[in-house]
Amino acid sequence: AQSVTQLGSHVSVSEGALVLLRCNYSSSVPPYLFWYVQYPNQGLQLLLKYTTGATLVKGINGFEAEFKKSETSFHLTKPSAHMSDAAEYFCAVSDTGRRALTFGSGTRLQVQP
Amino acid sequence: GAGVSQSPSNKVTEKGKDVELRCDPISGHTALYWYRQRLGQGLEFLIYFQGNSAPDKSGLPSDRFSAERTGESVSTLTIQRTQQEDSAVYLCASSLARIMNTEAFFGQGTRLTVV
Repeated sequence: AQSVTQLGSHVSVSEGALVLLRCNYSSSVPPYLFWYVQYPNQGLQLLLKYTTGATLVKGINGFEAEFKKSETSFHLTKPSAHMSDAAEYFCAVSDTGRRALTFGSGTRLQVQP
Repeated sequence: GAGVSQSPSNKVTEKGKDVELRCDPISGHTALYWYRQRLGQGLEFLIYFQGNSAPDKSGLPSDRFSAERTGESVSTLTIQRTQQEDSAVYLCASSLARIMNTEAFFGQGTRLTVV
């Protein structure tokens, strides 16, 4: 079985500050890991993904995430928050045995001016 | 089409009525998924179609829920005898790959409200 835990349903940062959104997963086999973003009144879109290879993954809009197997984590970071980053962020896991993504409960990011 | 299209975008129905939600995947995408997103919660997997293989129905919450897909085209999710707890946004996604290591493209969802 696989599961995803996102710590913090709401995160608030100031514009220009570091963004850190936490994601821990459990999977019985090597996972594929994803971050999706949902802007207000829009559908989910892929931010970045880890499948194999380099554990530090870069995505769109300056976001990146690092796969840490020993910590079963895939935290999302961005060095400097922008107002346009305000959205809901979902971490998801899939593995070779299961064909559908399992999503976390989401973290709503607020960016204060 | 350019993206995954879902209809209707909003649906209000009376408790006990049946509803049918439609998903048009991206042309050529063999995989299609339905998820449910309750207010303030994550995405809950419902059902997965891959080509002509038997669908993975393991996420359907009850026998009131069913879904069909003809070939690699349109899918419909049907909820019979709707209950208030069925109120949620129903999301459809499609992807090219047989295994989920490539991107799934999501529609904007159907917001279902059962009154």
